[in-house]
Amino acid sequence: SQQGEEDPQALSIQEGENATMNCSYKTSINNLQWYRQNSGRGLVHLILIRSNEREKHSGRLRVTLDTSKKSSSLLITASRAADTASYFCATVPVDQGGKLIFGQGTELSVKP
Amino acid sequence: DTAVSQTPKYLVTQMGNDKSIKCEQNLGHDTMYWYKQDSKKFLKIMFSYNNKELIINETVPNRFSPKSPDKAHLNLHINSLELGDSAVYFCASSLQGRGVGKNIQYFGAGTRLSVL
Repeated sequence: SQQGEEDPQALSIQEGENATMNCSYKTSINNLQWYRQNSGRGLVHLILIRSNEREKHSGRLRVTLDTSKKSSSLLITASRAADTASYFCATVPVDQGGKLIFGQGTELSVKP
Repeated sequence: DTAVSQTPKYLVTQMGNDKSIKCEQNLGHDTMYWYKQDSKKFLKIMFSYNNKELIINETVPNRFSPKSPDKAHLNLHINSLELGDSAVYFCASSLQGRGVGKNIQYFGAGTRLSVL
Protein backbone atom coordinates (compact mmCIF):
# COMPACT_ATOMS: atom_id res chain seq x y z
CA SER A 1 0.00 0.00 0.00
CA GLN A 2 1.25 3.49 -0.76
CA GLN A 3 -0.75 4.95 2.07
CA GLY A 4 1.24 7.09 4.44
CA GLU A 5 1.15 6.75 8.16
CA GLU A 6 0.70 9.54 10.62
CA ASP A 7 1.77 9.70 14.18
CA PRO A 8 0.22 10.26 16.63
CA GLN A 9 -3.32 9.30 15.66
CA ALA A 10 -4.64 11.69 18.29
CA LEU A 11 -3.05 14.56 20.19
CA SER A 12 -4.52 16.65 22.99
CA ILE A 13 -2.76 19.80 24.18
CA GLN A 14 -3.45 23.06 25.99
CA GLU A 15 -3.79 26.37 24.20
CA GLY A 16 -0.40 28.01 23.77
CA GLU A 17 1.52 24.74 23.52
CA ASN A 18 3.15 23.50 20.34
CA ALA A 19 1.77 20.52 18.41
CA THR A 20 3.95 18.23 16.33
CA MET A 21 2.59 15.66 13.90
CA ASN A 22 4.66 13.21 11.90
CA CYS A 23 4.06 11.53 8.57
CA SER A 24 5.88 8.68 6.85
CA TYR A 25 5.42 7.52 3.28
CA LYS A 26 6.68 4.79 1.00
CA THR A 27 7.37 6.00 -2.54
CA SER A 28 9.45 8.70 -4.25
CA ILE A 29 7.51 11.93 -4.33
CA ASN A 30 7.26 15.20 -6.23
CA ASN A 31 5.94 17.04 -3.22
CA LEU A 32 4.22 16.55 0.12
CA GLN A 33 1.25 18.56 1.31
CA TRP A 34 -0.55 19.06 4.61
CA TYR A 35 -4.29 19.57 4.84
CA ARG A 36 -6.64 20.39 7.70
CA GLN A 37 -10.18 19.07 8.07
CA ASN A 38 -12.57 20.61 10.55
CA SER A 39 -15.35 18.35 11.77
CA GLY A 40 -17.99 17.86 9.07
CA ARG A 41 -16.14 19.94 6.52
CA GLY A 42 -13.93 19.48 3.48
CA LEU A 43 -10.14 19.53 3.53
CA VAL A 44 -8.26 22.80 3.39
CA HIS A 45 -4.73 23.02 2.01
CA LEU A 46 -2.17 24.32 4.52
CA ILE A 47 1.28 24.04 3.00
CA LEU A 48 3.22 22.30 0.21
CA ILE A 49 6.87 21.28 0.40
CA ARG A 50 8.71 20.09 -2.69
CA SER A 51 11.00 17.08 -2.72
CA ASN A 52 14.10 19.30 -3.02
CA GLU A 53 13.12 21.42 0.01
CA ARG A 54 13.91 20.54 3.60
CA GLU A 55 11.92 23.07 5.58
CA LYS A 56 9.12 25.52 4.97
CA HIS A 57 7.28 28.05 7.12
CA SER A 58 3.85 29.60 6.84
CA GLY A 59 2.67 31.72 9.77
CA ARG A 60 2.58 29.45 12.83
CA LEU A 61 3.21 26.35 10.69
CA ARG A 62 6.61 24.76 10.13
CA VAL A 63 6.99 21.74 7.89
CA THR A 64 10.11 19.62 7.48
CA LEU A 65 10.81 16.96 4.89
CA ASP A 66 13.45 14.24 5.01
CA THR A 67 13.35 12.34 1.72
CA SER A 68 16.06 9.92 2.84
CA LYS A 69 13.83 8.78 5.70
CA LYS A 70 10.62 9.33 3.71
CA SER A 71 9.16 11.37 6.52
CA SER A 72 7.75 14.81 7.23
CA SER A 73 6.64 16.71 10.29
CA LEU A 74 4.18 19.53 10.84
CA LEU A 75 4.71 21.83 13.79
CA ILE A 76 1.99 24.22 14.89
CA THR A 77 3.36 26.77 17.33
CA ALA A 78 1.36 28.62 20.00
CA SER A 79 -1.73 26.54 19.32
CA ARG A 80 -5.24 27.96 19.62
CA ALA A 81 -8.57 26.30 20.29
CA ALA A 82 -9.46 27.06 16.65
CA ASP A 83 -6.63 24.74 15.54
CA THR A 84 -8.70 21.78 16.74
CA ALA A 85 -9.15 19.63 13.62
CA SER A 86 -7.82 16.57 11.82
CA TYR A 87 -4.54 17.07 10.00
CA PHE A 88 -3.58 14.98 6.99
CA CYS A 89 -0.35 14.66 5.11
CA ALA A 90 -0.63 13.82 1.43
CA THR A 91 2.10 12.85 -0.97
CA VAL A 92 2.22 13.33 -4.72
CA PRO A 93 4.15 10.26 -5.95
CA VAL A 94 6.38 10.54 -8.99
CA ASP A 95 4.76 9.48 -12.28
CA GLN A 96 1.28 8.83 -10.97
CA GLY A 97 -0.67 11.55 -12.68
CA GLY A 98 -0.53 14.03 -9.83
CA LYS A 99 -2.80 12.10 -7.48
CA LEU A 100 -2.64 12.67 -3.75
CA ILE A 101 -2.05 9.75 -1.41
CA PHE A 102 -3.36 10.65 2.02
CA GLY A 103 -2.17 9.50 5.41
CA GLN A 104 -4.70 8.46 8.02
CA GLY A 105 -4.60 11.77 9.81
CA THR A 106 -3.89 13.11 13.28
CA GLU A 107 -6.80 14.36 15.37
CA LEU A 108 -5.64 17.43 17.22
CA SER A 109 -7.60 18.76 20.17
CA VAL A 110 -6.53 22.10 21.64
CA LYS A 111 -8.13 22.82 25.00
CA PRO A 112 -8.69 26.44 26.01
CA ASP B 1 -18.64 32.55 -3.62
CA THR B 2 -18.20 28.81 -3.17
CA ALA B 3 -15.12 27.59 -5.01
CA VAL B 4 -15.97 23.87 -5.16
CA SER B 5 -19.60 23.07 -4.55
CA GLN B 6 -21.15 19.64 -4.43
CA THR B 7 -24.77 18.61 -4.08
CA PRO B 8 -26.48 17.20 -2.23
CA LYS B 9 -24.84 17.64 1.17
CA TYR B 10 -26.71 14.67 2.59
CA LEU B 11 -28.11 11.65 0.78
CA VAL B 12 -30.06 8.89 2.51
CA THR B 13 -31.27 6.06 0.32
CA GLN B 14 -32.18 2.39 0.23
CA MET B 15 -29.94 -0.44 -0.93
CA GLY B 16 -30.29 -1.13 -4.63
CA ASN B 17 -31.16 2.44 -5.60
CA ASP B 18 -29.23 4.56 -8.12
CA LYS B 19 -28.07 8.04 -7.10
CA SER B 20 -25.96 10.90 -8.42
CA ILE B 21 -23.75 13.49 -6.77
CA LYS B 22 -22.87 16.68 -8.63
CA CYS B 23 -19.76 18.84 -8.37
CA GLU B 24 -18.92 22.19 -9.85
CA GLN B 25 -15.85 24.40 -9.48
CA ASN B 26 -15.53 28.06 -10.42
CA LEU B 27 -11.76 28.31 -9.95
CA GLY B 28 -10.82 27.80 -13.59
CA HIS B 29 -9.04 24.55 -12.70
CA ASP B 30 -8.36 21.88 -15.29
CA THR B 31 -8.44 18.79 -13.07
CA MET B 32 -11.18 17.41 -10.85
CA TYR B 33 -11.28 14.48 -8.44
CA TRP B 34 -13.61 12.27 -6.44
CA TYR B 35 -12.51 10.92 -3.07
CA LYS B 36 -14.22 8.57 -0.63
CA GLN B 37 -13.70 9.08 3.12
CA ASP B 38 -14.70 6.16 5.32
CA SER B 39 -15.84 6.15 8.93
CA LYS B 40 -12.21 6.08 10.13
CA LYS B 41 -11.51 9.23 8.12
CA PHE B 42 -9.33 7.37 5.63
CA LEU B 43 -9.44 9.35 2.37
CA LYS B 44 -8.94 7.49 -0.89
CA ILE B 45 -8.98 8.79 -4.43
CA MET B 46 -11.50 7.23 -6.77
CA PHE B 47 -11.28 9.13 -10.06
CA SER B 48 -9.61 12.11 -11.63
CA TYR B 49 -10.41 14.01 -14.83
CA ASN B 50 -8.14 16.45 -16.62
CA ASN B 51 -9.83 18.61 -19.25
CA LYS B 52 -12.75 16.17 -19.37
CA GLU B 53 -10.48 13.15 -19.84
CA LEU B 54 -10.26 10.38 -17.29
CA ILE B 55 -6.68 10.19 -16.00
CA ILE B 56 -6.99 8.31 -12.73
CA ASN B 57 -9.32 5.37 -12.21
CA GLU B 58 -8.54 3.52 -9.02
CA THR B 59 -9.90 0.09 -8.22
CA VAL B 60 -13.50 1.12 -7.86
CA PRO B 61 -16.54 -1.08 -8.60
CA ASN B 62 -17.98 -0.33 -12.03
CA ARG B 63 -21.24 0.60 -10.29
CA PHE B 64 -19.50 3.97 -9.89
CA SER B 65 -19.42 6.01 -13.07
CA PRO B 66 -17.99 9.51 -13.22
CA LYS B 67 -18.97 11.95 -15.94
CA SER B 68 -17.35 15.25 -16.80
CA PRO B 69 -19.47 17.29 -19.24
CA ASP B 70 -16.94 20.13 -19.12
CA LYS B 71 -13.85 21.22 -17.18
CA ALA B 72 -15.92 22.82 -14.43
CA HIS B 73 -18.15 19.85 -13.65
CA LEU B 74 -17.57 16.30 -12.48
CA ASN B 75 -20.53 14.20 -11.48
CA LEU B 76 -20.60 10.78 -9.86
CA HIS B 77 -23.35 8.28 -10.55
CA ILE B 78 -23.68 5.19 -8.39
CA ASN B 79 -25.81 2.23 -9.45
CA SER B 80 -27.26 -0.48 -7.22
CA LEU B 81 -26.13 1.11 -3.97
CA GLU B 82 -24.76 -1.20 -1.27
CA LEU B 83 -24.39 -0.77 2.48
CA GLY B 84 -20.62 -0.49 2.08
CA ASP B 85 -21.02 2.57 -0.11
CA SER B 86 -22.00 4.58 2.96
CA ALA B 87 -19.27 7.22 3.37
CA VAL B 88 -18.54 10.87 2.77
CA TYR B 89 -17.68 11.63 -0.86
CA PHE B 90 -15.52 14.64 -1.60
CA CYS B 91 -15.01 16.44 -4.86
CA ALA B 92 -11.81 18.42 -5.37
CA SER B 93 -10.14 20.42 -8.13
CA SER B 94 -6.67 21.67 -8.96
CA LEU B 95 -4.58 23.30 -11.65
CA GLN B 96 -1.96 20.89 -12.94
CA GLY B 97 1.57 21.87 -13.87
CA ARG B 98 4.68 23.43 -12.40
CA GLY B 99 4.86 26.66 -10.46
CA VAL B 100 3.37 28.37 -7.46
CA GLY B 101 -0.17 27.33 -6.66
CA LYS B 102 -0.16 24.36 -8.97
CA ASN B 103 -1.18 20.86 -7.81
CA ILE B 104 -2.90 22.17 -4.68
CA GLN B 105 -6.33 20.62 -4.35
CA TYR B 106 -9.42 22.54 -3.28
CA PHE B 107 -12.13 20.43 -1.71
CA GLY B 108 -15.88 20.67 -1.60
CA ALA B 109 -17.74 20.32 1.70
CA GLY B 110 -18.58 16.67 1.05
CA THR B 111 -21.69 14.58 0.47
CA ARG B 112 -22.59 12.26 3.31
CA LEU B 113 -24.15 9.17 1.78
CA SER B 114 -26.07 6.76 4.01
CA VAL B 115 -27.32 3.53 2.46
CA LEU B 116 -29.99 1.78 4.54
